[in-house]
Amino acid sequence: KAGVTQTPRYLIKTRGQQVTLSCSPISGHRSVSWYQQTPGQGLQFLFEYFSETQRNKGNFPGRFSGRQFSNSRSEMNVSTLELGDSALYLCASSKRLAVADTQYFGPGTRLTVL
Amino acid sequence: AQSVTQPDIHITVSEGASLELRCNYSYGATPYLFWYVQSPGQGLQLLLKYFSGDTLVQGIKGFEAEFKRSQSSFNLRKPSVHWSDAAEYFCAVGEITGNQFYFGTGTSLTVIP
Repeated sequence: KAGVTQTPRYLIKTRGQQVTLSCSPISGHRSVSWYQQTPGQGLQFLFEYFSETQRNKGNFPGRFSGRQFSNSRSEMNVSTLELGDSALYLCASSKRLAVADTQYFGPGTRLTVL
Repeated sequence: AQSVTQPDIHITVSEGASLELRCNYSYGATPYLFWYVQSPGQGLQLLLKYFSGDTLVQGIKGFEAEFKRSQSSFNLRKPSVHWSDAAEYFCAVGEITGNQFYFGTGTSLTVIP
């Protein structure tokens, strides 16, 4: 079956703009988690959605937000972009809430903020 | 607070040699432990996981890991490395109560012929 897909794969924005990233989970998976990956910080948890509800949120400012739709697809939004937001944004899906279940990661969206 | 430490930022091994990647964690209860691998331009792939039971866990691609509670470690091993194993490896702890993952900063593996 198809894996986790993320669109777009690459994105270039300028400071102050906003951006929306999309994640389509594996069919039948109801949990979607988002991570930010940077060379200095590694992977940092952003948030997790399950059945259209945010179940957990990492330590990121309110500029970072997300949502999940009834078909389990998820979007994350970053408003008022800063240079430090340049990163690889990874999405992962699992059948249940993530910790007890195997997460399947997408290839990521590479965001560059100029 | 929970944390994961991967002391080795970068490791180079010869093809056919054995490999051990270190992972130490800080977590109050019995952790859920994971090893992931990330190839260039790819997402993360689960190699293996430990929830409970036998402390030696077998994974995909010939990898294994051993949970040592007394040392708060979960080191990844492979007896004979292949050139295709060159990648970034991440150790992670799953926090049961908060349902959240904490990842180490990764170890980059280079395999030389």
